[in-house]
This record gives sequence, structure tokens and C-alpha cells, in this order.
Amino acid sequence: AQSVTQPDIHITVSEGASLELRCNYSYGATPYLFWYVQSPGQGLQLLLKYFSGDTLVQGIKGFEAEFKRSQSSFNLRKPSVHWSDAAEYFCAVRTGGGNKLTFGTGTQLKVEL
Amino acid sequence: EAGVTQFPSHSVIEKGQTVTLRCDPISGHDNLYWYRRVMGKEIKFLLHFVKESKQDESGMPNNRFLAERTGGTYSTLKVQPAELEDSGVYFCASSLLQVPNTEAFFGQGTRLTVV
Repeated sequence: AQSVTQPDIHITVSEGASLELRCNYSYGATPYLFWYVQSPGQGLQLLLKYFSGDTLVQGIKGFEAEFKRSQSSFNLRKPSVHWSDAAEYFCAVRTGGGNKLTFGTGTQLKVEL
Repeated sequence: EAGVTQFPSHSVIEKGQTVTLRCDPISGHDNLYWYRRVMGKEIKFLLHFVKESKQDESGMPNNRFLAERTGGTYSTLKVQPAELEDSGVYFCASSLLQVPNTEAFFGQGTRLTVV
């Protein structure tokens, strides 16, 4: 069965530090992968997506993610975290018709000033 | 352009009552999805509409949940009668129909609390 694993439930980083959020997926075909972010009181906002081509994808707010097929991973990175990045981050894979998504459990990011 | 809009943002009801959640997708989006996140767990797929037709309702938990999308525009999700385990955040999303390399746009969610 398709699944997405985000091994880190909570992560705390200092402002200005680099960030890497891990995501591993289990999916038989070529995956369509997404990272969404939910800030407090907000809906889910798409950060970036991978469909094909270049395995390093750039997103909004200075985020990037790298697709590694050999490791079944799609980790999210940011070189310098800002306090406004504090939010919950979700990795997802398209697993059905249209945009049916399977999500990971989310990673709550806390940023220390 | 307006995004996906969900009403209400919060709802607190007693066990056994009925609640109806509404979702207005982005104009022109024929795909509409409902998801739910129970506290502390992952966001789970409930069902998928293509226009007014249910394409996939494999995630609907039981027959207390009824989703409709009359006319292929807005959608409602009714829970009747509500149980304690129905508490959670219900998300709606929409996407274009014919464009393969596109993403789903999500609403802000409806937080449902059953007491």
C-alpha cells in the first residue's frame, strides 16, 4: 500500500540555521510528490511539487526539495530559517485519480529566536 | 481569484446531532476532494468528486457521512448523527480536471468538535 513517512514529529531550530525535514514514500509507480505547509490558523499551502525532470525542485519561501528515487525520499530543505517558518509541514504523494493524496503525519517546526 | 473556501471555520456540536460542512472550490475546478485530520494523525482522504459525480469514496468512514455536490459547484459534507470520534479538521481541496501536472488547492479547514 502507498504510504508516506515523516519520521520527525517535532523539530526545533534556531533562526538562521539550516533546516532539513525528512520524507520517505512507498509507491510503486513514478511518484508525484508534494510538500504542503500549514501555518497557525491557515489552510494547507503548497510549497513545492515534483512531477518529473530535475530532481532538485525549488519552491516558495526559499524552500527546496530533492527527489532521490534510490532512497525513496523527498526531503525538504531551507538554508536559513526565519521565525515565520514556524508551522506544520506535510509531505504527500499522489496516489489516485486527479489529485488524490496520501499524506505523512506532519512535522511541527518550532523556530527559536 | 478566490481560493477554496470552507464554512464554518469551527463547529462544536453534541454527540447525536447533525452537522453540515460546506466547501466552495476555486471557480472552474471540476475536481473536488474532502480530507480529514483526526488529532495527531495524518490527513486522510475521504472522497473525490469529478463535477457532480463521486469518483472515489473509498475513504468515507461509514454511512453517517454523506457528501454531495449538486450542480458540480460547491459541495457539502453532512455527518448524521455525529459521534465523538468524528472530531477533527475537515479539509476541502480542488484542482483542474484536464491538466495532469497540477496541484490541489486546499481550504483553511473546518474544525469539528463533537462533545
